Parts: sequence; C-alpha cells; structure tokens
Amino acid sequence: GAVVSQHPSRVICKSGTSVKIECRSLDFQATTMFWYRQFPKQSLMLMATSNEGSKATYEQGVEKDKFLINHASLTLSTLTVTSAHPEDSSFYICSAFSGRVGWEQYFGPGTRLTVT
Amino acid sequence: QQPVQSPQAVILREGEDAVINCSSSKALYSVHWYRQKHGEAPVFLMILLKGGEQKGHEKISASFNEKKQQSSLYLTASQLSYSGTYFCGTEMEGAQKLVFGQGTRLTINP
Repeated sequence: GAVVSQHPSRVICKSGTSVKIECRSLDFQATTMFWYRQFPKQSLMLMATSNEGSKATYEQGVEKDKFLINHASLTLSTLTVTSAHPEDSSFYICSAFSGRVGWEQYFGPGTRLTVT
Repeated sequence: QQPVQSPQAVILREGEDAVINCSSSKALYSVHWYRQKHGEAPVFLMILLKGGEQKGHEKISASFNEKKQQSSLYLTASQLSYSGTYFCGTEMEGAQKLVFGQGTRLTINP
C-alpha cells in the first residue's frame, strides 16, 4: 500500500505557542489530504479537507484561524495549531487520497500533541 | 451523520468468529473498513461500493446491504493479530469524505 509520513510523531509545547505538523505522501501524489483529530478511545473526527493549491475546507465547529492548513504540493500538507491550549492536546492524524478509483485513504502514523 | 457500529466491544478466543456491523441513517455511496491498534494509525482493510457487494481478504470479508444502508465485517478463525479497534467510515454520494463510526474494540485471547 501507499506510504504516508507525519512529522513530528510527538510534540510537547507550552500554552500559547504554535506547532506545525507535516504530512507527506512518499510514493504517490495526493490530490487530497484529510486532517483528523482523535481523543483517547474515541473515533476519528474529520477536521478539514485539504486540496493542493486551494483553500482547505473545514468541518463545522473547527476554527480555521486556529488550525491553519496549507497544501503546498501534491506530496505535502501542513497543519499549524496556533496559540495552542491544553484542550488542543490530542492525536492528530492525516490521510492522503491518490484519486484512484475506489479512493482508499492512507493514514499517516499520527502526531501526539501535548500542550502544557 | 455518524454511523453506528455494533457491538462496541467483543472478546474472543483465538479461532473464534466475529461480526461487526455498521449502520447509517443516510444513503451511502461507499463503506470503508479500517483496523487501528493502540497508538498507531488506522490500517486500510477494504472498501465496498453501493450496489451491494461483498469482498474478501484472507479470513476477513465484508458485505454492504444498500437497501438497509448497513455493512458487516466478518472475521473468521480469528488470530491474535486481529486485535484492535475496527472503524467503519461511510461516504455519501458526492461527499468525497468519510464519517467514521465510534469503533468496535476487538480483543482476541489465546
């Protein structure tokens, strides 16, 4: 299957600072990337859909000024959590879609964000 | 609208079978199944498209009943490696995004 990487895998930051998470598709071009958030023992909640070269589409209730998404190329999308607070602590996972028929989503390994 | 998965949790002995269901109140275009182990990313298992199809992958297979808007994942002769949380992701026609169920936690004991 296709490979998606995320960096960093874990990050601890202080309240009020910003954190950038990178999502890369390593062996295919991703026309669309998705950003999810997952709290312990809960489901994957879609935050936004990112298409290369256009503005991200955010789900209802997600603050677009707080969670900045940039899809700079067909292999890279970034999520920046601005002015992070302890309630932003979570597991953030990206997935990439290659555009093939059947459109499997391939997930990155996730980033564990802890805001102190 | 989030699909409903049942059961929420199941415990089996190695070699036993399990069925996990995923139901939606909306008309679906496709259903995707994933398995996630603790602290890891979800791993893709299979996709089922509308039209009511079945698919198989080794001892894991699934069906999609379009009339009932329900999909079922079948795990036969379960192995220890099947342990994890199973999520269904549902897609409505034209949505091009998935809404995931709450997950079913599967524990396989020796």
